[in-house]
Amino acid sequence: DTGVSQNPRHKITKRGQNVTFRCDPISEHNRLYWYRQTLGQGPEFLTYFQNEAQLEKSRLLSDRFSAERPKGSFSTLEIQRTEQGDSAMYLCASSLAALNEQFFGPGTRLTVL
Amino acid sequence: AQSVTQPDIHITVSEGASLELRCNYSYGATPYLFWYVQSPGQGLQLLLKYFSGDTLVQGIKGFEAEFKRSQSSFNLRKPSVHWSDAAEYFCAVVKAAGNKLTFGGGTRVLVKP
Repeated sequence: DTGVSQNPRHKITKRGQNVTFRCDPISEHNRLYWYRQTLGQGPEFLTYFQNEAQLEKSRLLSDRFSAERPKGSFSTLEIQRTEQGDSAMYLCASSLAALNEQFFGPGTRLTVL
Repeated sequence: AQSVTQPDIHITVSEGASLELRCNYSYGATPYLFWYVQSPGQGLQLLLKYFSGDTLVQGIKGFEAEFKRSQSSFNLRKPSVHWSDAAEYFCAVVKAAGNKLTFGGGTRVLVKP
């Protein structure tokens, strides 16, 4: 399967704990995006990378959130000191820089107790 | 700021009947427009996209959409719905190549036998 993969698929954590999610994009894609989707809503943009450079961050991305793409391949999204409001589906997508079509992974569902 | 509105939260349609999902966008210029479908437990899948040219766009799974600049709309249609079309549908816009997607709130489609 050469699509976008995300791990883990589900994560349950206690409030105050740190969590890290991983996204592996389609191999030749330069751009990688993170979105967050809460129940009954459309996905909301969090941040995106072109290769290893983080080019834009949403105001939704508080200082407890950090994303990296160290070698321009996979990316990680870390949430420190999780809060119940962080419970959501975290989606990753990738695209070729010159094209607009973004291919989405299955998401990581985070539940903060 | 760009925004996307999907006025219908839920739509119920009988199998074999036609389906139309509404999408209105707010943006100063002609954006790039997309429709995605999300089935339970699955990632977002692109149905179709509009960049320029012919305003009637054909997509996968028998879907089509029509861009109407005067109405700032990009409505999705299918002539005959199948039970497998039950899912959530999202309209999205991006204002520049490879930039972030802005999604509408989604329309959940239920298909009656």
